[in-house]
Amino acid sequence: RKEVEQDPGPFNVPEGATVAFNCTYSNSASQSFFWYRQDCRKEPKLLMSVYSSGNEDGRFTAQLNRASQYISLLIRDSKLSDSATYLCVVRSGGYQKVTFGTGTKLQVIP
Amino acid sequence: DTAVSQTPKYLVTQMGNDKSIKCEQNLGHDTMYWYKQDSKKFLKIMFSYNNKELIINETVPNRFSPKSPDKAHLNLHINSLELGDSAVYFCASSQRDSRVGAGTGELFFGEGSRLTVL
Repeated sequence: RKEVEQDPGPFNVPEGATVAFNCTYSNSASQSFFWYRQDCRKEPKLLMSVYSSGNEDGRFTAQLNRASQYISLLIRDSKLSDSATYLCVVRSGGYQKVTFGTGTKLQVIP
Repeated sequence: DTAVSQTPKYLVTQMGNDKSIKCEQNLGHDTMYWYKQDSKKFLKIMFSYNNKELIINETVPNRFSPKSPDKAHLNLHINSLELGDSAVYFCASSQRDSRVGAGTGELFFGEGSRLTVL
């Protein structure tokens, strides 16, 4: 089983739609969780951290379920500029290893 | 000013050659990483250094040798290049939080070095 798993997609959604991505992780001792965004042929950039109580940043909401070992990202009112690959990231281990999921590709269609 | 810079951005070379990729960060971070992103876009950690000390080595062939002359630089040397080494190599840095269990903060990535082995 991969350490961090995501549905690769692609998710093709119309502008204005709400879309949700899930991610599961295998290490129950994982400590920190993040969503990164990667545009085509660019480097990954932090979208948001994921806190135990859930957190929101504008149109983006992240949730963490430690019991089931998954995190989610909800995007409301999708914009064309949201088209990208969304990477689930988990930090764990004594040396704080940072592991990326395979990414979920989102394409927002006019 | 570029926070994490890698050179070269593009590298095309023949099988069997030896090549190096350099990375420098001006963020004052103490932890640096090399990640490999293959054709399937999977971003896999290769190495991590904290204050010039190797802390993560993820079953990478010993043809790959990282070197950290100081905490602002992490270079990657690859010997005897193979076709399967073709990928984008990303350097990243972060700051380790000294609080117990806090780990490292956000990773800042360089723009990537696209290696093509012919």
